Amino acid sequence: DADVTQTPRNRITKTGKRIMLECSQTKGHDRMYWYRQDPGLGLRLIYYSFDVKDINKGEISDGYSVSRQAQAKFSLSLESAIPNQTALYFCATSEGTEAFFGQGTRLTVV
Amino acid sequence: RKEVEQDPGPFNVPEGATVAFNCTYSNSASQSFFWYRQDCRKEPKLLMSVYSSGNEDGRFTAQLNRASQYISLLIRDSKLSDSATYLCVGSGYSTLTFGKGTMLLVSP
Repeated sequence: DADVTQTPRNRITKTGKRIMLECSQTKGHDRMYWYRQDPGLGLRLIYYSFDVKDINKGEISDGYSVSRQAQAKFSLSLESAIPNQTALYFCATSEGTEAFFGQGTRLTVV
Repeated sequence: RKEVEQDPGPFNVPEGATVAFNCTYSNSASQSFFWYRQDCRKEPKLLMSVYSSGNEDGRFTAQLNRASQYISLLIRDSKLSDSATYLCVGSGYSTLTFGKGTMLLVSP
């Protein structure tokens, strides 16, 4: 089993819909991250969390929210999806050095 | 200016060639540096950490120059399987900052 699991792996949704991307990890790490990746823009940080009581905005948090339900779980929500949120989303976890990534969620907003 | 900058490439090289990637960073708060490899449509995976003293892992050599805020990755004897995007990463107290990546294409 993967150390970091993301669900769903692919999703097509309509503009205005609420969608949640889920992430769980078995590494036992406190730090978890959500990134989005767009062609030509690289990986950009959306939100990060150092523990269940600590949530921090990243570079591009507008339009997104997160929930850290447990040390192992960190979910990302799009309250009202818009087409420019079409991207590849990665969850990651670390202990401060090496980051371990999930396999990604390819989200398309139509 | 983005904190970590890389030439996006692509670098097109024949098998067996030696290729070098460079990366500059502007955030002096970044304390650790890494090279990650990302295959098309897959997640990034750690290739190697980067130290001021330089470090080598088989055909791969990484070097950090803090004075110049410069990081390098050298790949010797390139293989077809080395074709990927290589991401330069800086790690500060709170987060990892990724460069946009350099694409390498190794041809027969």
